[in-house]
Amino acid sequence: AQSVTQLGSHVSVSEGALVLLRCNYSSSVPPYLFWYVQYPNQGLQLLLKYTTGATLVKGINGFEAEFKKSETSFHLTKPSAHMSDAAEYFCAVMSYMDTGRRALTFGSGTRLQVQP
Amino acid sequence: EPEVTQTPSHQVTQMGQEVILRCVPISNHLYFYWYRQILGQKVEFLVSFYNNEISEKSEIFDDQFSVERPDGSNFTLKIRSTKLEDSAMYFCASSELDSHDQPQHFGDGTRLSIL
Repeated sequence: AQSVTQLGSHVSVSEGALVLLRCNYSSSVPPYLFWYVQYPNQGLQLLLKYTTGATLVKGINGFEAEFKKSETSFHLTKPSAHMSDAAEYFCAVMSYMDTGRRALTFGSGTRLQVQP
Repeated sequence: EPEVTQTPSHQVTQMGQEVILRCVPISNHLYFYWYRQILGQKVEFLVSFYNNEISEKSEIFDDQFSVERPDGSNFTLKIRSTKLEDSAMYFCASSELDSHDQPQHFGDGTRLSIL
């Protein structure tokens, strides 16, 4: 079974500082990994995804993530935080059910605060 | 950009009552999903739906729950005899294909409060 662990339920950075949100996964098959962002009172918006190919993937709003198989990690980074980045971020892995159908398994989320 | 829309944004219901949460998936999408997020907890998969039938359901999705696509556009989640612990944010999602590289697009959610 697949699972996702996000280290740090809350992360606080200063505006302009590096953002690093950690995600580790467990998967018995090649993983397909996603980062979603949830702004207050809104739904989940896809930031980026890794399926195959280049291990460094770029997403929206200047975010990127690197798939490291040896570390079973898919950490999310942004070189310079902006106030508008304050939100909750969810790492997810595509899970395979017994029927072969797919569903997303989410991590517990990391709330990012950006200090002026 | 096409969006998944959910109504209502907030539903308050007395315990024991039935609720129907509504979703309009993206028009050319074929696979539909419901997820739940209890306050402070993870987003959890409830059910997937394709070709007018349930494809997969989690252990959370018991006989209290049902899904339906009553027409060509709506996708509903019905919760019968609601309990306090059903209070959560419910997200609808859709995808064009059931493929690993096809992301699921989420709606803004319905916050369900059971009193």
